[in-house]
Amino acid sequence: QTVVTQEPSLTVSPGGTVTLTCASSTGAVTSNYQPNWFQQKPGQAPRALIYSTTNKYSWTPARFSGSLLGGKAALTLSGVQPEDEADYYCLLYYGGNGVVFGGGTKLTVL
Amino acid sequence: QVRLQESGPGLVKSSETLSLTCTVSGDSISSYFWSWIRQPPGKGLEWIGYTFYSGSTNYNPSLNSRVTISVDTSKNQVSLRLNSVTAADTAIYYCARVGVDSNHLWFDPWGQGTLVTVSS
Repeated sequence: QTVVTQEPSLTVSPGGTVTLTCASSTGAVTSNYQPNWFQQKPGQAPRALIYSTTNKYSWTPARFSGSLLGGKAALTLSGVQPEDEADYYCLLYYGGNGVVFGGGTKLTVL
Repeated sequence: QVRLQESGPGLVKSSETLSLTCTVSGDSISSYFWSWIRQPPGKGLEWIGYTFYSGSTNYNPSLNSRVTISVDTSKNQVSLRLNSVTAADTAIYYCARVGVDSNHLWFDPWGQGTLVTVSS
């Protein structure tokens, strides 16, 4: 069974920069995996942030960016704000086998 | 503005069938894929499956034998059926629109989710 791995938790100071990663048990993540990133705050539904590796939605703050880094998908937050404290999930596409979510990263802004 | 609203029983007995409906407003169901995703309390997201309006489907292999996702274009609704439920199926269930083009894949928007508890 395919496993998608994220850091369970990360801590960042306000104004700092942090990178969350998303790895696949099948090998290096490429753009073909169509990495998507979602933010979820307590009691809320997930909100889409990034699709197809680097693409932002109209509501995605400029401080969020997606990339491929060292064989993984990555989400970088530059100039972190207190309101960025949340759970972040990545999603990878495996063709006929559908999609798999990562286990999520709990981001603490402290 | 596209909106998705999940509905269905909040309590299902163990071994019975969970049935949920996602009502889509603001867009035709006949243009996208539609997905169900769930989240057990305090845990991460799990993809259940998705369907195209034509009826083609793709399910999570771990749930494949128990799940059916279907569309009703006349009602602009997407349905989920999960058979033989156990306590492990207790979760918030979300529906989401899935967009696909030659180079992109996106999951947006999502419904607000509905909590289903499986009782013994």
